[in-house]
Amino acid sequence: DGGITQSPKYLFRKEGQNVTLSCEQNLNHDAMYWYRQDPGQGLRLIYYSQIVNDFQKGDIAEGYSVSREKKESFPLTVTSAQKNPTAFYLCASSIAKVYTFGSGTRLTVV
Amino acid sequence: AQKVTQAQTEISVVEKEDVTLDCVYETRDTTYYLFWYKQPPSGELVFLIRRNSFDEQNEISGRYSWNFQKSTSSFNFTITASQVVDSAVYFCALSEATMHTGNQFYFGTGTSLTVIP
Repeated sequence: DGGITQSPKYLFRKEGQNVTLSCEQNLNHDAMYWYRQDPGQGLRLIYYSQIVNDFQKGDIAEGYSVSREKKESFPLTVTSAQKNPTAFYLCASSIAKVYTFGSGTRLTVV
Repeated sequence: AQKVTQAQTEISVVEKEDVTLDCVYETRDTTYYLFWYKQPPSGELVFLIRRNSFDEQNEISGRYSWNFQKSTSSFNFTITASQVVDSAVYFCALSEATMHTGNQFYFGTGTSLTVIP
């Protein structure tokens, strides 16, 4: 079955370390997105990519980086520059206004 | 500017009651899409409905119904005869059709619904 796979489901990071969240899709969708969810704030866009080798900053890109070397993969790196990285991260993909979300990764800084 | 507003942060109802979740949106586009998603405690977003801006017909799916009114920029969601399994956070979202925005979503802040048995 097609879908989006995010791994890991739970992730713990020490302060000052970079960490990469995985997002893989087998839906053949061109566009992919990363969202961050904090309590009471809904989902906010971090980065999005409409095609391979191209990506754009969203509303809260500072402290994050992405790559899109393959259509299927859109990994998100949370760098040490992100001051408050503890959150729930959701990856999504879309084609023709059909959106699919992954099950999310909960990142906790310890 | 806030694109999607869900004014109700938390709602509690007793099982079998009807409940309406409000959603008000803002856009300058004439072509756009509105969505409702359910987020259970496990975290994934479950798609409920997509409606384009040219289709103002109300929709009913089982116990769920949606009322889309362009005149008031609202896309409200009603659950009839609520059940405990309806307890979740519900998000309303807007997607505009312009290439500039990369077809991204604008999410509301969500409404947390608790159905009490």
